[in-house]
Amino acid sequence: AQSVSQHNHHVILSEAASLELGCNYSYGGTVNLFWYVQYPGQHLQLLLKYFSGDPLVKGIKGFEAEFIKSKFSFNLRKPSVQWSDTAEYFCAGHKAAGNKLTFGGGTRVLVKP
Amino acid sequence: GAVVSQHPSRVICKSGTSVKIECRSLDFQATTMFWYRQFPKQSLMLMATSNEGSKATYEQGVEKDKFLINHASLTLSTLTVTSAHPEDSSFYICSARDWLAGTDTQYFGPGTRLTVL
Repeated sequence: AQSVSQHNHHVILSEAASLELGCNYSYGGTVNLFWYVQYPGQHLQLLLKYFSGDPLVKGIKGFEAEFIKSKFSFNLRKPSVQWSDTAEYFCAGHKAAGNKLTFGGGTRVLVKP
Repeated sequence: GAVVSQHPSRVICKSGTSVKIECRSLDFQATTMFWYRQFPKQSLMLMATSNEGSKATYEQGVEKDKFLINHASLTLSTLTVTSAHPEDSSFYICSARDWLAGTDTQYFGPGTRLTVL
């Protein structure tokens, strides 16, 4: 079955620390991958997406993600987090020919001021 | 960016009643919309795919007679929870697919919190 998995359920870190959230997928073939963020009390917002081309994708708010095909991974990174990055982060993906997104379990990130 | 709205944001109803939730794409046309359910502290679970002008496609285990979906226009999909029961209480989220120029990205609404008493 096609799936997306996120390694960390909860991450706590201090401001200015670096963040990396793991995401792995199990699709074969060409995939489209996404990271969404859900701030407290708000709806899901798209951070970044990968369809093809440069495997290092830059998104909004200083986030980036790297697609590593050999590792079936699409990890999210931010070099220096802020308190406002406290949120839940979801990795999601679908096969290029399909449209149904499969979500990872989410990672709750708490940034201490 | 693309904006998707949902209405209402919260609804409380009595057991046995029906509740309609609207999902609108405000600045783009969406031939495909999706309905998800999110349980507390859990990820999103896809319930169904809503296709404009045709029947919705339901995921395994989702009762199509209980969760009625209508996608009457390119900017509006509705989910009706019929004969709601307390176990239907949940956070319902819709998304609209924007696939112009190869973007093929889902944009999400703010969600509707349903509480069935």
